[in-house]
Amino acid sequence: QVQLQESGPGLVKPSETLSLTCTVSGGSVSSYYWSWIRQPPGKGLEWIGYIHYSGNTNYNPSLKSRVTMSIDTSKNQFSLKLSSVTAADTAVYYCAKIGSGGARMDVWGQGTTVTVSS
Amino acid sequence: QSALTQPRSVSGSPGQSVTISCTGTSSDVGGYNYVSWYQQHPGKAPKLMTYDVSKRPSGIPDRFSGSKSGNTASLTISGLQAEDEADYYCCSYAGSYTYVVFGGGTKLTVL
Repeated sequence: QVQLQESGPGLVKPSETLSLTCTVSGGSVSSYYWSWIRQPPGKGLEWIGYIHYSGNTNYNPSLKSRVTMSIDTSKNQFSLKLSSVTAADTAVYYCAKIGSGGARMDVWGQGTTVTVSS
Repeated sequence: QSALTQPRSVSGSPGQSVTISCTGTSSDVGGYNYVSWYQQHPGKAPKLMTYDVSKRPSGIPDRFSGSKSGNTASLTISGLQAEDEADYYCCSYAGSYTYVVFGGGTKLTVL
């Protein structure tokens, strides 16, 4: 049973880079596609992007210029970097496993709140 | 503004059935059979309830059923229970460039 746990700073200053890590347990980070999704306070879900250990990535066109995802197979983790953040990037950030066959997130982390403020 | 349109709220009494709609376009909902639905309780992570329009993950009761007609997908919950009260989000594959888009979410109230 794959389980996911997000970690990273809860407060980021405007214009700086948000960095989050998702630790995978109960499975290998090399076995699946992985995704990041965020949810601003009181709002809906927004897909940020996905990554595969092969290096295959796909980012939301609206965030593409600021997003970088990576995988560390030695630590069984994958990561998200979002640059030049503003208050609009304040959200709960979730990491998730993409189910076989794609286009669905079948395992989610508990989420981590990131606030952008000086 | 979300890519997929859902009603802001729906309600029903215990034991009744409710249906939540999710309207997109031929570029997402209407173009692919890859619609999924997620349940989210306050302060919790979303949970996959149905996928590929009408399939259910292991452990999801058959009270939850998905369907699609044209550009509109639906989630029907029959035999409503108090614990079904939550926010529900639809999600659709939208092609290799956009990948997936979400609906704005629907708050289900069990009266």
